[in-house]
Amino acid sequence: GAGVSQSPSNKVTEKGKDVELRCDPISGHTALYWYRQRLGQGLEFLIYFQGNSAPDKSGLPSDRFSAERTGGSVSTLTIQRTQQEDSAVYLCASGVYEQYFGPGTRLTVT
Amino acid sequence: QQQVKQSPQSLIVQKGGISIINCAYENTAFDYFPWYQQFPGKGPALLIAIRPDVSEKKEGRFTISFNKSAKQFSLHIMDSQPGDSATYFCAASFNSGGSNYKLTFGKGTLLTVNP
Repeated sequence: GAGVSQSPSNKVTEKGKDVELRCDPISGHTALYWYRQRLGQGLEFLIYFQGNSAPDKSGLPSDRFSAERTGGSVSTLTIQRTQQEDSAVYLCASGVYEQYFGPGTRLTVT
Repeated sequence: QQQVKQSPQSLIVQKGGISIINCAYENTAFDYFPWYQQFPGKGPALLIAIRPDVSEKKEGRFTISFNKSAKQFSLHIMDSQPGDSATYFCAASFNSGGSNYKLTFGKGTLLTVNP
């Protein structure tokens, strides 16, 4: 079946602009995670969604970051007033123990 | 605070050799330990995983060894092939509530297998 998909694959934005990143999880997966991967680093947890439960936002680095998940499926990660340190690959995963990752969105803030 | 420490940062192995990557963790609440393989420009792919009730798990050429008392686990790749050249990440998780198994990752090991 189809895996996790993310869009766009690449995004270049100017400092101070807002960006939206999209994730389509594997059909039927109720758990969805966002992670950030900075150059040469491991992945850092950002946020977790599970059904209608309150999300775990403990990994969001600042209040410029927010995410939502509509209808228990598609999720959008929004970064407001982007900064150069936000440049990274943003990865989405679905599944519980076994998390399956999408290809990521490479965000470059100039 | 880095909760999962991975070594080495990079590793070069000859074709047919054994690649060994080590990880150590601090949080004794962790109860699920996966390894991920990542090729350039791709998302990480789940390779193999272990729970602390067993000391070893083998899938094909890939084996995880787990030492609960030492809080260490390692990935062994037997008969390493050039196609195994990738970045490998260890990770750890536990249920932090509501089936939330958010992963804590090591910083990765870049494996190069020379032909």
